[in-house]
Amino acid sequence: EAGVAQSPRYKIIEKRQSVAFWCNPISGHATLYWYQQILGQGPKLLIQFQNNGVVDDSQLPKDRFSAERLKGVDSTLKIQPAKLEDSAVYLCASSPHRQGGTDTQYFGPGTRLTVL
Amino acid sequence: RKEVEQDPGPFNVPEGATVAFNCTYSNSASQSFFWYRQDCRKEPKLLMSVYSSGNEDGRFTAQLNRASQYISLLIRDSKLSDSATYLCVVNLPQGRRALTFGSGTRLQVQP
Repeated sequence: EAGVAQSPRYKIIEKRQSVAFWCNPISGHATLYWYQQILGQGPKLLIQFQNNGVVDDSQLPKDRFSAERLKGVDSTLKIQPAKLEDSAVYLCASSPHRQGGTDTQYFGPGTRLTVL
Repeated sequence: RKEVEQDPGPFNVPEGATVAFNCTYSNSASQSFFWYRQDCRKEPKLLMSVYSSGNEDGRFTAQLNRASQYISLLIRDSKLSDSATYLCVVNLPQGRRALTFGSGTRLQVQP
């Protein structure tokens, strides 16, 4: 079974530029998550989708971050404009359960973003 | 106060040693509990779920104390391959936020 796919794996941009990350979850998984992991910290949830609807985006900095999952499958996360403090690994995860409750979450390899 | 707190370590132990990690969580409504393992520059992977009765998976034993809001992980007979960061994770009631991670405890097993 193919895992969660993410691209690009690495991205270096200058502050105030824009960047977009892509995620393709495991086939059939209804719930998709984007996490931000800053060096030395645990992952922090940015947004959770169930199919193509947003379940939780309370920790998403909406002035600069946006995400969509238009067809309920793959998803994109965008940052515009980027700040130095956005340097982190952006992890996408998916789980099969409709409510995204206690099912195991499977993580992709992440996109490592460096903002200069 | 952080929602999930862990000692960052590092814990440096020799091969064959027994090592224990502890974790506390602040939200008494937390329903599910996990330990994830994260290797350097890799994604987190589920190590084991944690049940109220305690559970064991080979050399790994997890315990949960709901009254004290405390979770532990015990690793017996440490192997070099156990070197990683161990993330304590809790899950709030359904329909709310997804997994809440601690900052992790780093383990280095030395030959």
